[in-house]
Amino acid sequence: AQSVAQPEDQVNVAEGNPLTVKCTYSVSGNPYLFWYVQYPNRGLQFLLKYITGDNLVKGSYGFEAEFNKSQTSFHLKKPSALVSDSALYFCAVRDGGNNNDMRFGAGTRLTVKP
Amino acid sequence: DGGITQSPKYLFRKEGQNVTLSCEQNLNHDAMYWYRQDPGQGLRLIYYSQIVNDFQKGDIAEGYSVSREKKESFPLTVTSAQKNPTAFYLCASRVDGRNSPLHFGNGTRLTVT
Repeated sequence: AQSVAQPEDQVNVAEGNPLTVKCTYSVSGNPYLFWYVQYPNRGLQFLLKYITGDNLVKGSYGFEAEFNKSQTSFHLKKPSALVSDSALYFCAVRDGGNNNDMRFGAGTRLTVKP
Repeated sequence: DGGITQSPKYLFRKEGQNVTLSCEQNLNHDAMYWYRQDPGQGLRLIYYSQIVNDFQKGDIAEGYSVSREKKESFPLTVTSAQKNPTAFYLCASRVDGRNSPLHFGNGTRLTVT
């Protein structure tokens, strides 16, 4: 079965600095990878997804993610963080063999300080 | 605006009572899902439905029940058999396809005392 690890519970960055939120995955088949963001007491919002063949994926609000097959990673990045980026971020993976089984990481809380 | 509506936003119940959480979508999506979110644990799948009148158990279905009588609606009942029901419940839907993302409602926070 597939699984996702987000090794950092918390990431703190200063406004204007680049940010990285880490994600590693494990699947038996082709990975279908996603990033979501959650603001307090709200549902998750889709940020971006991995598209086969594109190692750098661009998404909403200036976020991008780098897919690395050899390291089985899909790290979320942004060149210049904003205070409004502060939220809970989830990485998720779906195994190509089971269309309905999406696994989520435990989440990483990003805090951007002014 | 198309989207997923969950109601109510906050729900309080006494232990031993069943409670039903509403989820309605107007996105014309076939597949719908219920997740439970607890602090530090990510999201765990309770039930999902790919088509009307059909649904499947997820990882933590014990103590929960669902129905899918209409494409737009996928209510979740938290029964008295659920041992630790206090949590944030999220409903989601998506179009068919392995690469399709989930669309989420804004959740219902259930507190059972």
